[in-house]
Amino acid sequence: DIQMTQSPSSVSASVGDRVSITCRASQDISSSLGWYQQRPGKAPKLLIFSASILQSGGPSRFSGSGSGTDFTLTINSLQPEDLATYYCQQTNSFPLTFGGGTKVEIK
Amino acid sequence: EVQLLESGGGLAQPGESLRLSCEASGFAFDTYAMSWVRQAPGRGLEWVSAIDSTSGSGTHYADSVKGRFTISRDSSKNTLYLQMNSLTVEDTAIYYCVRPRTSVAHTRFFDPWGQGTRVTVSS
Repeated sequence: DIQMTQSPSSVSASVGDRVSITCRASQDISSSLGWYQQRPGKAPKLLIFSASILQSGGPSRFSGSGSGTDFTLTINSLQPEDLATYYCQQTNSFPLTFGGGTKVEIK
Repeated sequence: EVQLLESGGGLAQPGESLRLSCEASGFAFDTYAMSWVRQAPGRGLEWVSAIDSTSGSGTHYADSVKGRFTISRDSSKNTLYLQMNSLTVEDTAIYYCVRPRTSVAHTRFFDPWGQGTRVTVSS
């Protein structure tokens, strides 16, 4: 099974800050990586797919990068509505696996 | 509008069974593979099971549910199912029905998600 390791597990930042979240796969997954946002009490929502493609309707302050085993989700100019937990997911092979999540808090 | 509406959750005792349903609307259900993803209280996301579109016949399971859970679909009812047998307390979670963002084969990025149905396993 492919293990997905996210860091940090939580981050606190101010409105307007840039926030970066990393995700490492235990083996090469090419660009088979997605990022999800889960706001408190809500179902997750797809933000980024294929490592770097912004899902339709997603705010342009979100961007993804990386390939192979190392990936990054960047939030440029953090907004209050970005309070959420973010998960990466590999889609390279079954079983599909998620990272442990990164909770983003607003200072 | 694409919608996924789960039902069938509730309280079960260890060893009992439950069947979850997900009624899909707003898209060509039989052309999409479908999956279930769960989230235990206060925990992260765990993919549970997937089933190919009706043109295929494949099913896939997480090791944690293999042999106990069965995924199936009924295209005449636009409904996805998850039969859960031999439930344990570790199966306590919100169960989400999810669809890939496109019907292209091997697309496994999930959008949209249903609202979830809560399963509690407790004696």
